Amino acid sequence: KNEVEQSPQNLTAQEGEFITINCSYSVGISALHWLQQHPGGGIVSLFMLSSGKKKHGRLIATINIQEKHSSLHITASHPRDSAVYICAVITQGGSEKLVFGKGTKLTVNP
Amino acid sequence: SQTIHQWPATLVQPVGSPLSLECTVEGTSNPNLYWYRQAAGRGLQLLFYSVGIGQISSEVPQNLSASRPQDRQFILSSKKLLLSDSGFYLCACKLTTVNSPLHFGNGTRLTVT
Repeated sequence: KNEVEQSPQNLTAQEGEFITINCSYSVGISALHWLQQHPGGGIVSLFMLSSGKKKHGRLIATINIQEKHSSLHITASHPRDSAVYICAVITQGGSEKLVFGKGTKLTVNP
Repeated sequence: SQTIHQWPATLVQPVGSPLSLECTVEGTSNPNLYWYRQAAGRGLQLLFYSVGIGQISSEVPQNLSASRPQDRQFILSSKKLLLSDSGFYLCACKLTTVNSPLHFGNGTRLTVT
């Protein structure tokens, strides 16, 4: 079993829909990242969370440390949001290891 | 803010040939540096990470090695490439301060033929 599980693996939505991508992890963490990977391969860090909630534009990320769960929400989705969204956790213990989920491929149709 | 330079962007190499991928970081000092690989249809896999010059930790046994000859330079190498080394290689850096974000290079797409 992977230490970081994402769901769904694939998601297709119509423009304007509200999107939720989930991430569950089974290890102790010091922080969690949400990353966006575009078709060309480049990766951009969207959020880094250790507690609570963060918002940037139409993107909202939440984390529940007790439940070991995080969600990424996209409001008013747009075709340009189409990408792979990856959850990654920084494990505790000072090793600076990052463990990645397998990603959620989002396609937003116009 | 940090900028990561990674090259080349694409590379096609025959089996058995050597490999050297370079990653340099600007705008920071003493970062933690990482090499990841993303095989086709799979998630990112941590290959190596470094918390300082000459300090390399390997996460998986493989045909690859890494070196950090300078504070802001991280090199991924192989003496003899295998077909299974094909994939998308990403360099990343992170400051050592708590809750600092992760920054990625643009990646190198390696095809071993």
